[in-house]
Amino acid sequence: QVQLQESGPRLVKPSETLSLTCTVSGDSISSYFWTWIRQPPGKGLEWIGYISYTGNTKYNPSLKSRLTISVDKSKNHFSLNVTSVTAADTAVYYCARGGDTSWFDPWGQGVLVTVSS
Amino acid sequence: SYVLTQPPSVTVAPGKTAKITCGGNNIGGKSIHWYQQKPGQAPMLVIYYDSDRPSGIPERFSGSNSGNTASLTISRVEAGDEADYYCQVWDRSSDHPVVFGGGTKLTVL
Repeated sequence: QVQLQESGPRLVKPSETLSLTCTVSGDSISSYFWTWIRQPPGKGLEWIGYISYTGNTKYNPSLKSRLTISVDKSKNHFSLNVTSVTAADTAVYYCARGGDTSWFDPWGQGVLVTVSS
Repeated sequence: SYVLTQPPSVTVAPGKTAKITCGGNNIGGKSIHWYQQKPGQAPMLVIYYDSDRPSGIPERFSGSNSGNTASLTISRVEAGDEADYYCQVWDRSSDHPVVFGGGTKLTVL
C-alpha cells in the first residue's frame, strides 16, 4: 500500500523559504509523477506543481518564479521549496502521486504551514 | 486558464440521491476526476476517468461527463458521505494544466 508523508517546518517567517519533503513508502519514486497541492484555510485546492522521476517539472505559472520541486531517488522522496513567502502562502500542503494527465492518488495527510513573524 | 464551476453546496436527505455538478467549456471532451474531502482529512479519489471507481469506493458513487457538465452522483446517501467534493481536469493546452473546481459542500440532513 502506497503511503506519502509530508515533513518540514510548520512555521516560516515572511520573506524566508518554505521547504517540505514528501517521503514515499510502498512504491518506488522511480515511476509515476509526483505532485504538490495546497489548500489555504477554509478555501479550495490549488495545484502547485509536479515532477517526474527523471526530474522533469511543471509549475503553476502564478508561483513559478518562487518554486523548486526536486526528487531524490536514493531517499525515495521529493521536495518543495517556495521562496519569499508571505501570509498568502499559509496553507495545508499536500503531496500526492500523479501528474501529467493522471489523477492524484493517494495523498499525504497534509501539513499546515503558517507564514508569520 | 480553464475554469470549472461547482455549486457551493448541495443538501440531501439520508437514503436519497445527491448529484454534484461540475461545469466547464466542453468538459465532455476532457477526463474528469472527483475527490472527497472530509473535515480535517486529505482529499481522497472517488472517481477517475469520468466514471471509474477506485478499489474500495462503494458502487453508490458514480460519474458522468458530457457536453459542458460533468456530474458526481451518490445514491442512497449516508451520513458518512457528508464532505466537500472537488472535480479536477487536465487542460493540456494550458500552462496551468491542473484545474480544480471550487468544491461543493455536501450536507446530509
